[in-house]
Amino acid sequence: DAKTTQPTSMDCAEGRAANLPCNHSTISGNEYVYWYRQIHSQGPQYIIHGLKNNETNEMASLIITEDRKSSTLILPHATLRDTAVYYCIVRRPSGGYQKVTFGTGTKLQVIP
Amino acid sequence: NAGVMQNPRHLVRRRGQEARLRCSPMKGHSHVYWYRQLPEEGLKFMVYLQKENIIDESGMPKERFSAEFPKEGPSILRIQQVVRGDSAAYFCASSPPSGINSYEQYFGPGTRLTVT
Repeated sequence: DAKTTQPTSMDCAEGRAANLPCNHSTISGNEYVYWYRQIHSQGPQYIIHGLKNNETNEMASLIITEDRKSSTLILPHATLRDTAVYYCIVRRPSGGYQKVTFGTGTKLQVIP
Repeated sequence: NAGVMQNPRHLVRRRGQEARLRCSPMKGHSHVYWYRQLPEEGLKFMVYLQKENIIDESGMPKERFSAEFPKEGPSILRIQQVVRGDSAAYFCASSPPSGINSYEQYFGPGTRLTVT
């Protein structure tokens, strides 16, 4: 699975959009980009994933650059409850087997 | 539809005792994964199981740790003769069989093991 690079930490004002970047320059053609988050002391929570098109769901939007070497997770209106560590993961799906390798992630602090 | 369930949520063991951690996957999910998170660190993959089969145990320590996912009942992560370094949060995740939405992995709330 390709390696990812994320900033260690970020702050965001409550109500503003939080844009979390991720670099995955070694991504290969059939690897997906996944985002998870872990709120303090809880289990990780799946947020969104994509291959090459931008994706949106009720939680967030995922913007993947045309060359697929980087992506941005967007939380459109950050709330205090979005304070968490956000993990960007790139992996190749293999049937139902999906061992997920977590890096250190980005610690997002939403400020009132 | 209940999520992934883990019990106990907190477990205290003295050095040398055994720890048993249980994980019930989401209904319809046949794949179970165990991860360990040491304090202030990210999650590390330990083992991947399907019903009655260990598929990938590349992240499991060679000694004292074992996992199973029987035909009936929850998946069990067993740690024998615990040491202080085993103190961590242990998370279980499950995913459905191959097919639509099989890429999503759902995590339980974790079991926090403290070895005294």
